[in-house]
Amino acid sequence: GAVVSQHPSRVICKSGTSVKIECRSLDFQATTMFWYRQFPKQSLMLMATSNEGSKATYEQGVEKDKFLINHASLTLSTLTVTSAHPEDSSFYICSAPPPRDRGGNEQFFGPGTRLTVL
Amino acid sequence: AQSVTQLDSQVPVFEEAPVELRCNYSSSVSVYLFWYVQYPNQGLQLLLKYLSGSTLVKGINGFEAEFNKSQTSFHLRKPSVHISDTAEYFCAVSKGGTSYGKLTFGQGTILTVHP
Repeated sequence: GAVVSQHPSRVICKSGTSVKIECRSLDFQATTMFWYRQFPKQSLMLMATSNEGSKATYEQGVEKDKFLINHASLTLSTLTVTSAHPEDSSFYICSAPPPRDRGGNEQFFGPGTRLTVL
Repeated sequence: AQSVTQLDSQVPVFEEAPVELRCNYSSSVSVYLFWYVQYPNQGLQLLLKYLSGSTLVKGINGFEAEFNKSQTSFHLRKPSVHISDTAEYFCAVSKGGTSYGKLTFGQGTILTVHP
């Protein structure tokens, strides 16, 4: 299957700093990527849709000024958590759909990034 | 809008026993259905998916699921589990069209296989 990577896998930062998380599709191009957040012992919640060449689409309740998304190329989307606070501590996972000739309506997920804000 | 309900938050089972993880969904339109597995501190791995056609879907690692439209269910089954199947399992749905790729997840079921 297609491969999606994330970097870093784990980050610890102080409250008030900004953290950038990268999501890359390694062997396919993705015009769209998705960012999910998973709090401890909870399910994944879609935060936003990252669109190459245009603005991201945010789900209701997600602050777009706090979670900046940039889809810089067909293989890279970044999520920047600005002025992070302890309540932003979570597991952030990205996903990308493969080209339609490589799969139907499924997503390939990155390994996730564990963010801890002190 | 669609929603997914996984009826059991935790399922303990002994090794080599059969297991069923239950999933019900609601949607006003046709959906695509998925089961994913997540090991601790890792991303999600697709077990199987239903898009159309045969309602019995076979996936990896010996798992299978049956789509039941009248009961709006998509239960996951395995006839004989292994210790290595211990993980969290998520049922998910998506719509096609412009919502392609946007998944709505259930709450997750933690499967614990005991020796």
